[in-house]
Amino acid sequence: LAKTTQPISMDSYEGQEVNITCSHNNIATNDYITWYQQFPSQGPRFIIQGYKTKVTNEVASLFIPADRKSSTLSLPRVSLSDTAVYYCLVGDAKLNYGGSQGNLIFGKGTKLSVKP
Amino acid sequence: NAGVTQTPKFQVLKTGQSMTLQCAQDMNHEYMSWYRQDPGMGLRLIHYSVGAGITDQGEVPNGYNVSRSTTEDFPLRLLSAAPSQTSVYFCASSYLPSGYEQYFGPGTRLTVT
Repeated sequence: LAKTTQPISMDSYEGQEVNITCSHNNIATNDYITWYQQFPSQGPRFIIQGYKTKVTNEVASLFIPADRKSSTLSLPRVSLSDTAVYYCLVGDAKLNYGGSQGNLIFGKGTKLSVKP
Repeated sequence: NAGVTQTPKFQVLKTGQSMTLQCAQDMNHEYMSWYRQDPGMGLRLIHYSVGAGITDQGEVPNGYNVSRSTTEDFPLRLLSAAPSQTSVYFCASSYLPSGYEQYFGPGTRLTVT
């Protein structure tokens, strides 16, 4: 599985756009990039997943350059409720039966603090 | 749908005791997994299962056993609790084709004294 590197923490203010970048230099051809959000005392929540270029949903956008060695999670106009830890994961999204792809690795994530 | 449920929410054990953390999902997901999360740390995968009767080890499997007799349930057993197993435990599930889009339970906070 490709190792990911992301900033330990970030600060922002309400109403700003926040971009969190994840580095994954050893990403494989079959790997997808997935982001999760975790609030204190809760389990992580899936935010977005992508393979290349740009993916957008109602919560966030995910930008992936052509070489796919990094990705950027973009949160538009954050609010205090977006204060959370954000995890970047890279791996084969189609888990094969009994395959090693079942071994999903979360790093320490990026702690985003949104201030008023 | 209740999603992924975990019981108990809190548990205190003495060193050497054994117990089972329960996890159930009602979404007919093939893939289920257990993670532990220590303070200030990310999640570490303990065990996972890609279907009934099939389990495999994750990153930190020592001291834990799992079984998957049904699609819905995936219990985690602590054989002989140790203080190093004090942690928050999360269970998750997903459709196999969806891979990384996992649904997490609310967690069990375990303290071993």
